[in-house]
Amino acid sequence: QKEVEQNSGPLSVPEGAIASLNCTYSDRGSQSFFWYRQYSGKSPELIMFIYSNGDKEDGRFTAQLNKASQYVSLLIRDSQPSDSATYLCAVNAGYPGTYKYIFGTGTRLKVLA
Amino acid sequence: EPEVTQTPSHQVTQMGQEVILRCVPISNHLYFYWYRQILGQKVEFLVSFYNNEISEKSEIFDDQFSVERPDGSNFTLKIRSTKLEDSAMYFCASSPDRYQETQYFGPGTRLLVL
Repeated sequence: QKEVEQNSGPLSVPEGAIASLNCTYSDRGSQSFFWYRQYSGKSPELIMFIYSNGDKEDGRFTAQLNKASQYVSLLIRDSQPSDSATYLCAVNAGYPGTYKYIFGTGTRLKVLA
Repeated sequence: EPEVTQTPSHQVTQMGQEVILRCVPISNHLYFYWYRQILGQKVEFLVSFYNNEISEKSEIFDDQFSVERPDGSNFTLKIRSTKLEDSAMYFCASSPDRYQETQYFGPGTRLLVL
């Protein structure tokens, strides 16, 4: 059973701080990794994806991937109260050329004003 | 901006009844997906669909479930005989092509089985 693990939180950070969210996955063959944000009662919204080892930056968000250690993380700089949501890590666990996305349980982030 | 739409937003049904959940993916997208999220739990993959056939499915997607793209725009999920444990939010998603995996989620249909 392919798994994606996240700390459920809540993770509380003060406004303006860096929030660090982590995710580990079990399938060493996974090639693509995604971070979604989900507000309560709403659908997941893609923040960013990463395929290669290292860092990928997009605005205030940085995704970090380490395939050897099988973890992926998301850093949110200058956290705002509007960033308060559940952050979902997802991994494509499908066979090559197919798409079967496995989600973690999500980490609830609270940004305190 | 194009978006995925889903109907109905809420559906209440009796156990044992059939339900059809409808989705209109973004028009030029080729891959389609169904997920479910039981209240307070994680998003669970059900099925992916490409070129009019199932690409991948999960253990949840048993014989009670089926998907169809009856025309060029709709993508449906049918649950033949609903159970209480089918109560969940069902999300449809679509992505442009095999080289762009980013998925765009619809707003969901909240299904309640009584």
